[in-house]
Amino acid sequence: EAGVAQSPRYKIIEKRQSVAFWCNPISGHATLYWYQQILGQGPKLLIQFQNNGVVDDSQLPKDRFSAERLKGVDSTLKIQPAKLEDSAVYLCASSLGGEQPQHFGDGTRLSIL
Amino acid sequence: GEDVEQSLFLSVREGDSSVINCTYTDSSSTYLYWYKQEPGAGLQLLTYIFSNMDMKQDQRLTVLLNKKDKHLSLRIADTQTGDSAIYFCAESPNYGGSQGNLIFGKGTKLSVKP
Repeated sequence: EAGVAQSPRYKIIEKRQSVAFWCNPISGHATLYWYQQILGQGPKLLIQFQNNGVVDDSQLPKDRFSAERLKGVDSTLKIQPAKLEDSAVYLCASSLGGEQPQHFGDGTRLSIL
Repeated sequence: GEDVEQSLFLSVREGDSSVINCTYTDSSSTYLYWYKQEPGAGLQLLTYIFSNMDMKQDQRLTVLLNKKDKHLSLRIADTQTGDSAIYFCAESPNYGGSQGNLIFGKGTKLSVKP
């Protein structure tokens, strides 16, 4: 079974620029999550989708972050404009739903200059 | 509130057993999880335990759960250098529509010396 695919693996941008990350979940997984992992910390949830609907985006900084999962499969996460404190690894995870285990991609490491 | 606490570092010798401890706060969590993260990689699901179980064994891994004390541990038998990584404990609180949201600890960095 193919795992969760994320791209790009690395991204370096200057503050105030925009950036987008892409995630392709495991086939058949209805639930998709985006997490932010700051260096030395555990991942923190940004947004959770069930199919193409948002379940929880309470921790998403909506003034600069946006995410979509239009067809209920792939998802994109965008930051516009980026701030220095957004430097982190952005992890995508998917699951069959409910409390089924989440499976993670390798993440996108974002550096803001 | 939700909080997961882990010690930050653990160092063991190859062949010894490693025990990584975790405390959590939310008693509504139906499952508790252990993930492994190697440098530059995402999180790999190692094992998970249902909250009405006390113990789960999976090859070299043993998970112990003390629900009364909200304490979870992961024991790795015959630790190998390939086990060197950061290990994350996670709880999955049940509230509202956020079922499945994971709350992670800061991770325990396991170093295995040959």
